[in-house]
Amino acid sequence: GAVVSQHPSRVICKSGTSVKIECRSLDFQATTMFWYRQFPKQSLMLMATSNEGSKATYEQGVEKDKFLINHASLTLSTLTVTSAHPEDSSFYICSARDQANTIYFGEGSWLTVV
Amino acid sequence: GDSVTQMEGPVTLSEEAFLTINCTYTATGYPSLFWYVQYPGEGLQLLLKATKADDKGSNKGFEATYRKETTSFHLEKGSVQVSDSAVYFCALLYSSASKIIFGSGTRLSIRP
Repeated sequence: GAVVSQHPSRVICKSGTSVKIECRSLDFQATTMFWYRQFPKQSLMLMATSNEGSKATYEQGVEKDKFLINHASLTLSTLTVTSAHPEDSSFYICSARDQANTIYFGEGSWLTVV
Repeated sequence: GDSVTQMEGPVTLSEEAFLTINCTYTATGYPSLFWYVQYPGEGLQLLLKATKADDKGSNKGFEATYRKETTSFHLEKGSVQVSDSAVYFCALLYSSASKIIFGSGTRLSIRP
């Protein structure tokens, strides 16, 4: 089946720094990718929808200047958490939609801000 | 608006028991329906899907049938294993839509 790869799977950064998470569709072209945040024992919270070559659409309450999303190609989207703070520590998951309208998820990235 | 409702967990069963996780949806059109599974510390994996009414999705012994008359997509497995312990998410997606709508997830624990 289709594969979506996220990198890094775990990252620790210092408060005030920025960290980038990559999401790649390995064997299909994804015109649309999604970024989610998941708190412990909770469902996924959609942060933004990313379309290739255009600006991301952010969900209400998500700071677009803090969570920068770039979808520069049909196989790569990146999420950059800028000026990270401990409250940004979370599990971030991306997903990509293929031409058959099925959504596949990445393995997720654990972010810890210290 | 469109929504997905799952039975609340946690669900705890003994190994080899029969599993049903209920999922109902509210939709104005004809979405595709999905079940995703999330193992501890991992992302979501597509478990099965159905794209139209009466379709049955199946994978790894799990099944779910798209029931338009009851707006349901219940997940079933005849004999669960300890390795099935995970969180299961029901979801819907329209072909024209830009985002997938998830249920709240159901945590399943299987006792040896």
